[in-house]
Amino acid sequence: QVQLVQSGAEVKKPGASVKVSCKVSGYTLTELSMHWVRQAPGKGLEWMGGFDPEDGETIYAQKFQGRVTMTEDTSTDTAYMELSSLRSEDTAVYYCATLRPLSHYYFDYWGQGTLVTVSS
Amino acid sequence: EIVLTQSPATLSLSPGERATLSCRASQSVSSYLAWYQQKPGQAPRLLIYDASNRATGIPARFSGSGSGTDFTLTISSLEPEDFAVYYCQQRGGLFTFGPGTKVDIK
Repeated sequence: QVQLVQSGAEVKKPGASVKVSCKVSGYTLTELSMHWVRQAPGKGLEWMGGFDPEDGETIYAQKFQGRVTMTEDTSTDTAYMELSSLRSEDTAVYYCATLRPLSHYYFDYWGQGTLVTVSS
Repeated sequence: EIVLTQSPATLSLSPGERATLSCRASQSVSSYLAWYQQKPGQAPRLLIYDASNRATGIPARFSGSGSGTDFTLTISSLEPEDFAVYYCQQRGGLFTFGPGTKVDIK
């Protein structure tokens, strides 16, 4: 059973950066493909990017290219998502979610979400 | 980018009724489509993968069909816990989600 535990809520000013963490237990990070999905208040789900197991690289949605960095620390089984140049439209709940061969490469395990509020 | 559209935006039904939700892709995604359920304050839950396969632990009242660009999620008889928002998601290209269909109580 995979468990994903995310870091706590953040409040940031416009132009700042935020780094959200996602700690894995039950599996090792190297056994998973970790992705990030966000959800603005009252809105739908938006895929941001994640690890592509086919070519071993991290892929990003075009919308976030140049502004987002996803990294992993395999020694602690923790994934990170850093979003820079924050604006009010980035206010959202950010989820980490895993892809696995057993889930046929769909998002089967999700973190509890981290609310990031961008406000001056 | 492959764009997914869902209809209707809201579906108002009573418990015991049948729900039929639609998802259309802007180009073919073959059968690489999933459905998720999300309740307020919770993370999404995977229901259906590869268009028609139920994920582990998902009740048989949930079924999916379709291929190419047109897909359907059917809930044969709504239980009280099924009132939620449903999203489709494709992995035929880079991942995208549809805007969601809210199933609420009539």
